[in-house]
Amino acid sequence: QVQLQESGPGLVKPSETLSLTCAVSGYTITSNYYWGWIRQPPGKGLEWIGFIYHSGSTFYNPSLAGRVTISVDTSKNMFSLNLPSVTAGDTAVYYCARVAVFSTHIGYNNYYMDVWGKGTTVTVSS
Amino acid sequence: QSVLTQPPSVSGAPGQTVTISCTGSSSNIGAGYDVHWYQQLPGTAPKLLIYGKNNRPSGVPARFSGSKSGTSASLAITGLQAEDEADYYCQSHDSSLSAPVVFGGGTKLTVL
Repeated sequence: QVQLQESGPGLVKPSETLSLTCAVSGYTITSNYYWGWIRQPPGKGLEWIGFIYHSGSTFYNPSLAGRVTISVDTSKNMFSLNLPSVTAGDTAVYYCARVAVFSTHIGYNNYYMDVWGKGTTVTVSS
Repeated sequence: QSVLTQPPSVSGAPGQTVTISCTGSSSNIGAGYDVHWYQQLPGTAPKLLIYGKNNRPSGVPARFSGSKSGTSASLAITGLQAEDEADYYCQSHDSSLSAPVVFGGGTKLTVL
């Protein structure tokens, strides 16, 4: 079955770049899903970061747009997150997820995360 | 402040029915976007519970059901069990924020 595995440094210094990758197994990343990132600060709720289609089309959380970049490597069946200039506020558990989409009868696209990785903890501290 | 508002906590005894509300606005739930629900057991990743118009992924018990009316949605859990103790999140789409994904703040369910 499809599995997602996050990887990357657990500790990042303030002002540096947070870089994470998500390896997808059991499913081809070029199939008809988006691939996304969600984070959860300690003791808080979920925050959507963004997602990408294998063609390179991206959607980002407006509150993070301009800082975040999500990219996809179809040859390695993985996708990545880059978040530069981090601060303590970026400390969180970062999850990658497969994102499904369907259209309603009124033509609205609905997105939801149907498969999640286990998450990786990233701490921003000097 | 989350775009979708959930009660911070709810509780119920084993066997009872509990409902978790998710209140939005005319730019998300009220606009016609569906509401999806996730369960996050302690120390684990969220898991999809309900998607679209009350659809359950394979393996999710029929005790879990979702509904929507106007600018609000609800998750109902019948026959409450101890293993249902978790955090629950609603999620939708918000057109005014140009955000295809917005989450509620989450609700902690305690099984008494």
